Amino acid sequence: GIQVEQSPPDLILQEGANSTLRCNFSDSVNNLQWFHQNPWGQLINLFYIPSGTKQNGRLSATTVATERYSLLYISSSQTTDSGVYFCAVEGGGSNYKLTFGKGTLLTVNP
Amino acid sequence: DSGVTQTPKHLITATGQRVTLRCSPRSGDLSVYWYQQSLDQGLQFLIQYYNGEERAKGNILERFSAQQFPDLHSELNLSSLELGDSALYFCASSVGWRQPQHFGDGTRLSIL
Repeated sequence: GIQVEQSPPDLILQEGANSTLRCNFSDSVNNLQWFHQNPWGQLINLFYIPSGTKQNGRLSATTVATERYSLLYISSSQTTDSGVYFCAVEGGGSNYKLTFGKGTLLTVNP
Repeated sequence: DSGVTQTPKHLITATGQRVTLRCSPRSGDLSVYWYQQSLDQGLQFLIQYYNGEERAKGNILERFSAQQFPDLHSELNLSSLELGDSALYFCASSVGWRQPQHFGDGTRLSIL
């Protein structure tokens, strides 16, 4: 099946700093989503981005499908950004499941 | 609020027991997915239903079963529970395939 690798596994920032999270995948994808799992365990949709670039406030994402990677940018980080960020992909063919990476644990200190 | 409703939020039970987790998808969504999140396995796909029919199976144990009803809500049944079944179980829904999946808040299952 498709492989998803996220880096870095852990990231510690001071409030106000910027960061870039990376997601590499091993095959072509029909669906790529970024999620934030907050300390209460909720999985929050950030972006649906199988290709191209999107922005939502301080967050933006870019997927370069031909090179099999996606980037999530967080600018001016806040303590509420802390949590685990997951990249999840749906491969080609008739397999519609999302395969998740192991996530990046982000800690933003005040 | 994703619009996907999962009940119960927490469930504590004993080994050998059987439980049922319930999921109501977002209005208009025909696909329902179940995922399991555990510390050692991460987030793993279990099973998908589309408009009442099973469409894809993942790493779902034989002790687990699921169904999607005519009103599109879904239930995940876990039987002969073992300590290792303790996990966070998520339901997600989408309009169809190759569409964004929206996740419920999960059911946290603890086996004592």
